[in-house]
Amino acid sequence: GAGVSQSPSNKVTEKGKDVELRCDPISGHTALYWYRQSLGQGLEFLIYFQGNSAPDKSGLPSDRFSAERTGGSVSTLTIQRTQQEDSAVYLCASSLWAGEGEQYFGPGTRLTVT
Amino acid sequence: QKEVEQNSGPLSVPEGAIASLNCTYSDRGSQSFFWYRQYSGKSPELIMFIYSNGDKEDGRFTAQLNKASQYVSLLIRDSQPSDSATYLCAPDSGAGSYQLTFGKGTKLSVIP
Repeated sequence: GAGVSQSPSNKVTEKGKDVELRCDPISGHTALYWYRQSLGQGLEFLIYFQGNSAPDKSGLPSDRFSAERTGGSVSTLTIQRTQQEDSAVYLCASSLWAGEGEQYFGPGTRLTVT
Repeated sequence: QKEVEQNSGPLSVPEGAIASLNCTYSDRGSQSFFWYRQYSGKSPELIMFIYSNGDKEDGRFTAQLNKASQYVSLLIRDSQPSDSATYLCAPDSGAGSYQLTFGKGTKLSVIP
């Protein structure tokens, strides 16, 4: 079956611009996660959605970052007024239900802020 | 601050040898432990998980867990060049928690 998909695969933007990153989870997966991975670094948790419940935003690094999930499926991560330190690979993952550690990752979006 | 420590490597082993990857974690509330493999330029994929103290074997992979020592390891027997990747250790954040805390990973290189 189809895995987690993300778009765009690469995004180059100028400092100060807003960007939107999209994630399509595996059909039937109720939990969706966003992570950020900077060069040579581990995965940094950003935000988590479970069904229609309020998301856990505890990992968002600043108020420039926000995310939404429409209809319990597709999610969009928005970064406003991008900064160079936002450059990273943004990974989305989904799992069948919350609390299950078997997360399936998408291919990621490589964001470069110039 | 929850911490997950892994030797960044690179860990180099000859083909056919046993690769031993280690991980220590700070959160005593962690109940479940996951090992993800990440090839260069690719996304992580789950290869093993373990919940109970002791060993769990799956093919050439064995996960070992010692909750008292807050230590989890992954052994890869008969290492192959295709095993060359970064291995990420990820404990959960407590009983029933959805959140995983990932270590920075150990880069393994299997030399033919």
